Amino acid sequence: ETGVTQSPTHLIKTRGQQVTLRCSSQSGHNTVSWYQQALGQGPQFIFQYYREEENGRGNFPPRFSGLQFPNYSSELNVNALELDDSALYLCASSLSAGVSEQFFGPGTRLTVL
Amino acid sequence: AQTVTQSQPEMSVQEAETVTLSCTYDTSENNYYLFWYKQPPSRQMILVIRQEAYKQQNATENRFSVNFQKAAKSFSLKISDSQLGDTAMYFCAPTSGTYKYIFGTGTRLKV
Repeated sequence: ETGVTQSPTHLIKTRGQQVTLRCSSQSGHNTVSWYQQALGQGPQFIFQYYREEENGRGNFPPRFSGLQFPNYSSELNVNALELDDSALYLCASSLSAGVSEQFFGPGTRLTVL
Repeated sequence: AQTVTQSQPEMSVQEAETVTLSCTYDTSENNYYLFWYKQPPSRQMILVIRQEAYKQQNATENRFSVNFQKAAKSFSLKISDSQLGDTAMYFCAPTSGTYKYIFGTGTRLKV
């Protein structure tokens, strides 16, 4: 059974650019959630995708958007990058959109200069 | 709204000793779950233990147990016989269908 994977591991962008982060969910999982974790903080919920539809969103602006594909992998897109977007972005998959254990990927470290 | 407070930013414990990490939360939901997640220095977050709010019995998972006080909205994690591999950030995360996962700011535990 393959766990949750994320790519790339690290990324450096400049302010104003756009970025796409990718996540492959664990086999059999149809739900993917994305989190932003600033240094020294807990993860902040960005949004969740369930069977290719957005199923809940945290307090993040519309320039944070996502997609989920038929194989349940997912992308997180961030437009017009700001310095405060520098963080670890975590993807987590779960068996369902209800309350269930989330399996986290190793994260993508984004640095915005 | 739903909020989580972990009041201990850092803690230390000797090997084989017991340590308790505290978590308090506030929620307007009646049906929810509580999770403790561990994030070792290598970053990948893993589940430590979960508790269903409707269950009065405290959850136990090997050396890990919780003290769940629903009325006080308190959900502490006890780690017995601490091991070097327990060194990590620990996050408390109450969750419900409405509020998804709300993580606390974490407690850094050093063994």
